[in-house]
Amino acid sequence: QKEVEQNSGPLSVPEGAIASLNCTYSDRGSQSFFWYRQYSGKSPELIMSIYSNGDKEDGRFTAQLNKASQYVSLLIRDSQPSDSATYLCAVNEGGGSNYKLTFGKGTLLTVNP
Amino acid sequence: ETGVTQSPTHLIKTRGQQVTLRCSSQSGHNTVSWYQQALGQGPQFIFQYYREEENGRGNFPPRFSGLQFPNYSSELNVNALELDDSALYLCASSTRTTRWDTQYFGPGTRLTVL
Repeated sequence: QKEVEQNSGPLSVPEGAIASLNCTYSDRGSQSFFWYRQYSGKSPELIMSIYSNGDKEDGRFTAQLNKASQYVSLLIRDSQPSDSATYLCAVNEGGGSNYKLTFGKGTLLTVNP
Repeated sequence: ETGVTQSPTHLIKTRGQQVTLRCSSQSGHNTVSWYQQALGQGPQFIFQYYREEENGRGNFPPRFSGLQFPNYSSELNVNALELDDSALYLCASSTRTTRWDTQYFGPGTRLTVL
């Protein structure tokens, strides 16, 4: 059973702080990694994808991947109240014919004004 | 907006009934995946369709079935509904043109089984 684990949360940070979200995965064959943001009652929205070890930055978001440790994280700098949402980590085996995503349960982030 | 649409938005059914959910993929996307998201959980993969054939299935019973049409739109059918089928049903479309496939989700259909 391939698993994706996220810190259970909820995570609460003040406005302007850095929010750190973490995720581990069990399948060493995993090739691609995604962070989705999901507002209450809405569908997941892709915010970051990462495929290689190291950091990937996009605006206020930085994804970090360490395949040896089977660990992926998301940092949100200068957190805003509008960042308050559930963040879902998703892992994809990639390659071959099976492109299913395996999701963690999500971490609820609250940014306090 | 991802360009992926789903219908209906909400649906209420009773136990034992059958339901059909619909999804139109983003323009140019030939692959549709369906996920079930129960309250407080991450989405769970149901199955994927590529070029009108099922291509991968998660741990769901055969009463969950699907179709993909030549225009790449898709249907999810669930027979003999159970209370635990109450969830948000999401479809995601992708291109599968590269190894690094990205899936974009539609707004979802909220199914309530009474």
